[in-house]
Amino acid sequence: SQKIEQNSEALNIQEGKTATLTCNYTNYSPAYLQWYRQDPGRGPVFLLLIRENEKEKRKERLKVTFDTTLKQSLFHITASQPADSATYLCALDSGNNRKLIWGLGTSLAVNP
Amino acid sequence: DADVTQTPRNRITKTGKRIMLECSQTKGHDRMYWYRQDPGLGLRLIYYSFDVKDINKGEISDGYSVSRQAQAKFSLSLESAIPNQTALYFCATSDSNRRTEAFFGQGTRLTVV
Repeated sequence: SQKIEQNSEALNIQEGKTATLTCNYTNYSPAYLQWYRQDPGRGPVFLLLIRENEKEKRKERLKVTFDTTLKQSLFHITASQPADSATYLCALDSGNNRKLIWGLGTSLAVNP
Repeated sequence: DADVTQTPRNRITKTGKRIMLECSQTKGHDRMYWYRQDPGLGLRLIYYSFDVKDINKGEISDGYSVSRQAQAKFSLSLESAIPNQTALYFCATSDSNRRTEAFFGQGTRLTVV
């Protein structure tokens, strides 16, 4: 069956460091992958989309990579700040009428 | 004003009661979705609609029904609420013509006692 895995353990890092979050998938050939941020009790907010033919995408302090051979995406936040503390979700195009399949998310805490 | 608006934001209801959660959007998107989110289980799709006449069950549709009253409105009903339907519910929209993001509402926290 199709499966998406994100780091289940919370990630704690020091302010100013780079946070790296992982999204692995199996039994998929997604056309694109998305990353979202979710704060407690609020809806996910879109951050970045990367397509299958793209290796890397950047937006300000955010960088996403997509390795279709490894079936993995890495999400980086450089120069992290306490305000970056949130849960980060990855989502894949399922290929089935383009419904998104969601990972469970990774909680990130940036300590001052 | 929010692009995707859910009402109510919080609701406590009794077991066996019928309850409706409403969602409206100003994005002009054709696709709308209802998800529930539970700790440790992530976002699970309840129902989705690709246009007003196209409604589909998601992975956990039992105990729920939906109505797409217009392109901009998609409501979720719990016909007879039960405690394990206590969860955070999200409505979302997307545009079928573009492989872009989903836009989420603020969520409805539903408690069934």
